[in-house]
Amino acid sequence: EAQVTQNPRYLITVTGKKLTVTCSQNMNHEYMSWYRQDPGLGLRQIYYSMNVEVTDKGDVPEGYKVSRKEKRNFPLILESPSPNQTSLYFCASSLSPWDRVRGANVLTFGAGSRLTVL
Amino acid sequence: GIQVEQSPPDLILQEGANSTLRCNFSDSVNNLQWFHQNPWGQLINLFYIPSGTKQNGRLSATTVATERYSLLYISSSQTTDSGVYFCAVEHSNYQLIWGAGTKLIIKP
Repeated sequence: EAQVTQNPRYLITVTGKKLTVTCSQNMNHEYMSWYRQDPGLGLRQIYYSMNVEVTDKGDVPEGYKVSRKEKRNFPLILESPSPNQTSLYFCASSLSPWDRVRGANVLTFGAGSRLTVL
Repeated sequence: GIQVEQSPPDLILQEGANSTLRCNFSDSVNNLQWFHQNPWGQLINLFYIPSGTKQNGRLSATTVATERYSLLYISSSQTTDSGVYFCAVEHSNYQLIWGAGTKLIIKP
């Protein structure tokens, strides 16, 4: 089944304890992205990757790191989590964001990871 | 940057009713997508519709790019239509900017 898999789905941690949220897709998609969702704000992009070893900042990158060493994986790293990073996180992927004619830029989302930082 | 506004923010309807959700954007866009987030948080793409009209069962969407708005129509609403509906637009650099969403509750 074609899907985007995120882990963990739920996590409660404490301030300063490094954590990684993994994201993996099995659709050979070039584009991957991380979003956070907070009440009343919709989704805001944290980082995105156009292909292997190509990553760039989104709208709210502070406090996060990413890497794209393989096409299928795009982990989100919180080096020193703080309470303002408590949020619902989504990973998404698409075949190619620039292929507007064929609609290959349609995003497929993971199930979300709810993170609480105490 | 481009602004995306959705209306209404909340909508409560009886099962069987029809509804129209609106998305206004402040600049020309290359890409517009509608998403549904179900009560369990799952996000599903409904339409990729930078212009024109598309239909999928009871749902249809129209984007009038020259007037900078898109409409999502839901006919004969069912309780499973409940959730939050988002529109997201791409202005440049292939990144999507999201509206704050319309929360829809369908009562049985």
